[in-house]
Amino acid sequence: GENVEQHPSTLSVQEGDSAVIKCTYSDSASNYFPWYKQELGKGPQLIIDIRSNVGEKKDQRIAVTLNKTAKHFSLHITETQPEDSAVYFCAASRETSGSRLTFGEGTQLTVNP
Amino acid sequence: KAGVTQTPRYLIKTRGQQVTLSCSPISGHRSVSWYQQTPGQGLQFLFEYFSETQRNKGNFPGRFSGRQFSNSRSEMNVSTLELGDSALYLCASSLLPGGASYNEQFFGPGTRLTVL
Repeated sequence: GENVEQHPSTLSVQEGDSAVIKCTYSDSASNYFPWYKQELGKGPQLIIDIRSNVGEKKDQRIAVTLNKTAKHFSLHITETQPEDSAVYFCAASRETSGSRLTFGEGTQLTVNP
Repeated sequence: KAGVTQTPRYLIKTRGQQVTLSCSPISGHRSVSWYQQTPGQGLQFLFEYFSETQRNKGNFPGRFSGRQFSNSRSEMNVSTLELGDSALYLCASSLLPGGASYNEQFFGPGTRLTVL
């Protein structure tokens, strides 16, 4: 089955700096890669996603890049703010698996004011 | 539009008991998935229901089961509880099965189950 690895497990940055979180996946048939943000006491919330036919997608301060050949994808957050502090999860799924998501282990991002 | 609701939010049980958790999806959403979240194993897929049928199942023992009703509400049941079943159980809903930008999965706040 699919395996998703995520790095780093913790990331501390100064407000205004950029943060990068990286994930690799094993199943070459995976074609959908969402990123979720989970705040304390809440369920994960989708922040951005990318499909395998796209190399990069951007939404304001957040961007995701995908390298299908290397089977890795990354989340980039620019101009970080304290409210960006949360746990971030990458995930992967394939078309034949319905809504089933395989998640990475998570990254605890702390943005220091 | 109301989000995904899960009840109860917190639950304490003892080993050997059984438990039923409930999930009400966003209105109009017909696909419901369940995930277990633990510090050690992270987020793991349990199962997915669509049109009252289980479409996918993760690698969990048969003690974990679920069902979906005609109004798309879903329940999951865990029988013969073990200490290792202590976790946050998350429910997610989407319009249809399948991962896509137009078919975002929305997660509920979860049910925190503690097994003593």
